[in-house]
Formats: sequence, structure tokens, C-alpha cells
Amino acid sequence: KAGVTQTPRYLIKTRGQQVTLSCSPISGHRSVSWYQQTPGQGLQFLFEYFSETQRNKGNFPGRFSGRQFSNSRSEMNVSTLELGDSALYLCASSLTQTPHRELFFGEGSRLTVL
Amino acid sequence: DQQVKQNSPSLSVQEGRISILNCDYTNSMFDYFLWYKKYPAEGPTFLISISSIKDKNEDGRFTVFLNKSAKHLSLHIVPSQPGDSAVYFCAATYNNNDMRFGAGTRLTVKP
Repeated sequence: KAGVTQTPRYLIKTRGQQVTLSCSPISGHRSVSWYQQTPGQGLQFLFEYFSETQRNKGNFPGRFSGRQFSNSRSEMNVSTLELGDSALYLCASSLTQTPHRELFFGEGSRLTVL
Repeated sequence: DQQVKQNSPSLSVQEGRISILNCDYTNSMFDYFLWYKKYPAEGPTFLISISSIKDKNEDGRFTVFLNKSAKHLSLHIVPSQPGDSAVYFCAATYNNNDMRFGAGTRLTVKP
């Protein structure tokens, strides 16, 4: 069974640009969550999608957005990039939205903003 | 608002000894807690979990303890092995809300 796939793995952008990251969940998983990892801050929750609907949203500015397609694949977009957006962006999928679900993470997309 | 806190950014132990990683939380609504392990260049992987109706869950060398009154949980690794060297994240959730993670503790097990 293929795991969670994130693309691209690495990318470099400059301030003011925008970026789109992609996540393909494990087959059959309908819930996709996005997290930002920075040194010292751990994993900060961005948003979660289930059946193409955003269910939860973290405390990030509106420059961060996402969507989920009918095949459960998800994308997140960051517009008007800032230096502080440099981070590892992790996508995680889960089978359902049951309370006690385990998240399966991808390897992440490492974004560097210059 | 950091609802899950791991106050020790790093921990170093000798191979064969016990590793104890700590985690505190502030949201009393949390009813399910998990530990994830992360190696460099890989995504976090699930390690062990515990429901709030329990105070201990054991899986091989890994045991998680939950103290609800103190809003504290800990992960014990006995005996520690060099392959356990990784960053460990504590996470908590309730109902259908998102999973909240701590900042992580980097464990180094010295041979």
C-alpha cells in the first residue's frame, strides 16, 4: 500500500511569490491534514479536509489556503510568501474522522523563502 | 496557543537505560493522546497512544503514562537503543477536532 506522497520535496521561492504544494493520501483515506514544522515550534496545524470540505482550520493568516479534490488529493497554497514561511510542510492522511484516528504522514515539502 | 507542551527540547541517555519523555497539556477536553517519532528527512510515524480512560498503555519497550489530574503524560522507553534516537512528538485530540502537537523532544541514545 503506497504511503502519503508529497510533491515537490524541496523548493526555493523568493519573497512575494506564491507556492502550491500537493499531497496524495493513502488510498481509501478521506481525511487530509496539513501541518507546518519549524524549529522550536513543532507541528503547527494548518487545516484539515474531509470529503472536499475544510473541517478545521488553524491559526494561520489568509495567505494560507487549501483544497481537496474528489479523489481525496489535496493542495495547499501560500500566497505573498514571507521569509518566515520557510518550513517543512507536512501532509497527513487518516482513514476517517473518528476521534481516535492515527495520522499517516508524508515526508514533507521543504520550502525555503529567500 | 500552545495547548500541548514539551518543555525539554533534547534528552540524552546511555544505551540500555530508561528514556523518559514528558508532555503537558492545557486543554481538559483532550481525550486521546499519541506519541509520534520522527527521523530526519522522514515524516513522523505513529508510536503509541492512550485514551483518557486509561492511565497506562504498554507496547513492547514503550509505555505511555497519563496523569489526567496533572494534565501530564510521559513516554518511557526501556531499554533505550541507539535506533531510538529521533525527535519525539506528543499529540492530543478530542472528538473530531484537529490533532495538536508539542514542539518535540530530540532523544539521543549513546552507545
